[in-house]
Amino acid sequence: AQSVTQPDIHITVSEGASLELRCNYSYGATPYLFWYVQSPGQGLQLLLKYFSGDTLVQGIKGFEAEFKRSQSSFNLRKPSVHWSDAAEYFCAVGAIPSNTGKLIFGQGTTLQVKP
Amino acid sequence: ETGVTQTPRHLVMGMTNKKSLKCEQHLGHNAMYWYKQSAKKPLELMFVYNFKEQTENNSVPSRFSPECPNSSHLFLHLHTLQPEDSALYLCASSQGQDTDTQYFGPGTRLTVL
Repeated sequence: AQSVTQPDIHITVSEGASLELRCNYSYGATPYLFWYVQSPGQGLQLLLKYFSGDTLVQGIKGFEAEFKRSQSSFNLRKPSVHWSDAAEYFCAVGAIPSNTGKLIFGQGTTLQVKP
Repeated sequence: ETGVTQTPRHLVMGMTNKKSLKCEQHLGHNAMYWYKQSAKKPLELMFVYNFKEQTENNSVPSRFSPECPNSSHLFLHLHTLQPEDSALYLCASSQGQDTDTQYFGPGTRLTVL
């Protein structure tokens, strides 16, 4: 069955510290992968995406993610966290090719940033 | 106004009421989506429309009725809902419905009493 797992429901880091949010997927087809962020009361904003090519992708707000096919992972990283990064982060996977636009989302990881 | 907008932002309704959620995208996209976001659960895709035609119904109960009159507008008509239908309903759009990035609206927070 297709699934996305974000093992960490809640993470707390100090401002200025590095961050890594984990994402593992189970998908039979060639995946394409997304990370979205959701601030309280807001919709989802795309941080970055991976379709093909370089397995290290750069996104907005200083985030990056690395696709590791052998580990079925797409972890999100940031070298130095800012207080404004506190939000909920969602990993999502879809299939190539796809004629439905269907994405499978993980349960999300809530990031808290300590001053 | 740019991006994807949703109205109303908050809605409280009784189980016997009929209401509608509206989504409008200003991005020139051809595909639109409804998602349900419940507490402690992953986002659930409900419906997909591509060029105004419904291409996906993810086993959604008939008390939810979508309508897509054109590629820019998407509605979700609600009737005889249950308290467990209380959730954040998110609309998204994409250029096409294959590998294209989906852009989300801010959502409608629905409470069913």
